[in-house]
Amino acid sequence: DVKVTQSSRYLVKRTGEKVFLECVQDMDHENMFWYRQDPGLGLRLIYFSYDVKMKEKGDIPEGYSVSREKKERFSLILESASTNQTSMYLCASSTTGTGLGYEQYFGPGTRLTVT
Amino acid sequence: GNSVTQMEGPVTLSEEAFLTINCTYTATGYPSLFWYVQYPGEGLQLLLKATKADDKGSNKGFEATYRKETTSFHLEKGSVQVSDSAVYFCALDSNYQLIWGAGTKLIIKP
Repeated sequence: DVKVTQSSRYLVKRTGEKVFLECVQDMDHENMFWYRQDPGLGLRLIYFSYDVKMKEKGDIPEGYSVSREKKERFSLILESASTNQTSMYLCASSTTGTGLGYEQYFGPGTRLTVT
Repeated sequence: GNSVTQMEGPVTLSEEAFLTINCTYTATGYPSLFWYVQYPGEGLQLLLKATKADDKGSNKGFEATYRKETTSFHLEKGSVQVSDSAVYFCALDSNYQLIWGAGTKLIIKP
């Protein structure tokens, strides 16, 4: 079974703290993604990565950074957490693959609350 | 650019009712199309997909047909159950990414 895991299901942090969200996939996928999900706004792409040590900005990268030192792991970093970063964070992976569509596999999500 | 438009929710139905959730898209070329489902408190999971025109994706009683002429990929189910209550997302692939619709919340009442 394909699997994407995220380090925490629920996280509470204080304003100004540095926050690390970890995501690991066991499918040897090339591509990994970080989204945030907010009511009424759907899924918004923060950053993605096509390969180790590569990263690309998504639609809403401000206030975030990422790290991909190993193929299976993609970390999202909030350098100085703010209350407007309270959200559900979803990690996903996909393979560049077979021409049958770039289906993404998702982790269970991390609900982050910044107080 | 490429985009996906879904009907706004929430959609509220009684158990055993017929379901349609509309999805239309704008795209260059012929992308693959997807429906994902998110059950309460969980991440997204792929429900079904179609990779070329006139393909029909199906899973768990849900179906959607890739209609190039109407640029649509509407999700249907003949008889919904309370356990189908979830948020449904339509998406298309574009340059290794997925372009997402806003999601439609479905509420099924017993």
